[in-house]
Amino acid sequence: DTAVSQTPKYLVTQMGNDKSIKCEQNLGHDTMYWYKQDSKKFLKIMFSYNNKELIINETVPNRFSPKSPDKAHLNLHINSLELGDSAVYFCASSPFSGQANYGYTFGSGTRLTVV
Amino acid sequence: AQSVTQLGSHVSVSEGALVLLRCNYSSSVPPYLFWYVQYPNQGLQLLLKYTTGATLVKGINGFEAEFKKSETSFHLTKPSAHMSDAAEYFCAVSDTGGSQGNLIFGKGTKLSVKP
Repeated sequence: DTAVSQTPKYLVTQMGNDKSIKCEQNLGHDTMYWYKQDSKKFLKIMFSYNNKELIINETVPNRFSPKSPDKAHLNLHINSLELGDSAVYFCASSPFSGQANYGYTFGSGTRLTVV
Repeated sequence: AQSVTQLGSHVSVSEGALVLLRCNYSSSVPPYLFWYVQYPNQGLQLLLKYTTGATLVKGINGFEAEFKKSETSFHLTKPSAHMSDAAEYFCAVSDTGGSQGNLIFGKGTKLSVKP
């Protein structure tokens, strides 16, 4: 069983389109995250949710909207896609918010290519 | 604010040689420190972590790291490199007492292993 699963694994789309990436964790964790990894492998946090409540919302264009229907799911919807949105997006989870000593469990990533 | 600096974006070693990947951190509170590994086209996997207690921590695949507060360092080592160790390695820091406890990643070090 995959602990943190993301779909799709690859996503190629045209500029201006709207797309969603889904993430699910079966670890019973309370907190979930979205990270963006750019072409230079730099990882930057975008959002975190604790038990369906938004905790972190870094400086991200409002074209990006996370949605957490329950604590096991955190989806990322992106409107009006731009070339600069091309990246690998990682979902992660951790047991509790504010207790980072447990570390995170990451999904395998979604490679988004905007053409 | 916490930050992480990884010295050397690319390290190349011969199979059987010592692996040393450098990480220095900046933190206003006692840090939690992590090393993650990312194999090609995969997500991040936790190698090891330091939270409290023994400053020399052992992780998976024969890796270990030592927390040195006086040097604000958390370097990753492995006595003998294996071809399968070729990957991207990320050092990360988190605050211990914040309400968020999110991970801040370094820019990564790509490890190449020559036969």
